[in-house]
Amino acid sequence: GAGVSQSPSNKVTEKGKDVELRCDPISGHTALYWYRQSLGQGLEFLIYFQGNSAPDKSGLPSDRFSAERTGGSVSTLTIQRTQQEDSAVYLCASSGGGETQYFGPGTRLLVL
Amino acid sequence: GENVEQHPSTLSVQEGDSAVIKCTYSDSASNYFPWYKQELGKRPQLIIDIRSNVGEKKDQRIAVTLNKTAKHFSLHITETQPEDSAVYFCAASLPGGGADGLTFGKGTHLIIQP
Repeated sequence: GAGVSQSPSNKVTEKGKDVELRCDPISGHTALYWYRQSLGQGLEFLIYFQGNSAPDKSGLPSDRFSAERTGGSVSTLTIQRTQQEDSAVYLCASSGGGETQYFGPGTRLLVL
Repeated sequence: GENVEQHPSTLSVQEGDSAVIKCTYSDSASNYFPWYKQELGKRPQLIIDIRSNVGEKKDQRIAVTLNKTAKHFSLHITETQPEDSAVYFCAASLPGGGADGLTFGKGTHLIIQP
């Protein structure tokens, strides 16, 4: 079966513009996670969805970041008024109810 | 919240030798400890995981050990091969994964010297 997919794979944007990143989890996975990975760094947890709800949004770096999930499947991460420090790889992972998470290929975001 | 420390940050070993990467965690309630391998430009791939009800798990050339009392766990790779070169991340999770997700270590860049 298909794994986690993300789009776009690469995104270059100008400082101040908004960007929208998409994640398609593995079919049937109810849990979905967003992480951020800066160059040469570890993975920073951003937000978790169980179904369509996100119980805790405190991991989002600032109020410019928001995420939603509809239909218990696709999720979008939106970054408003992008800044250069937002440049990173944004990874999505999904889980079938246990702890094991399967990652997508990521979206490489570059803010000029 | 959970805090995971990982050492070393870089590890260089001769092909055929063993490699050991160590991690410590802070929250004694954590009960799931996966290891991910990330090749350059690729997604993290789960290579092995262990739950807190066992002390050791092995899968061919890789093994993970867990010491709950000391709150540390280690990845062991034997008979290393060039394709083992990658960045390895350890992680810890509270029961059920949930709202805190996985807390990752900062990664170990493993270099296999021919």
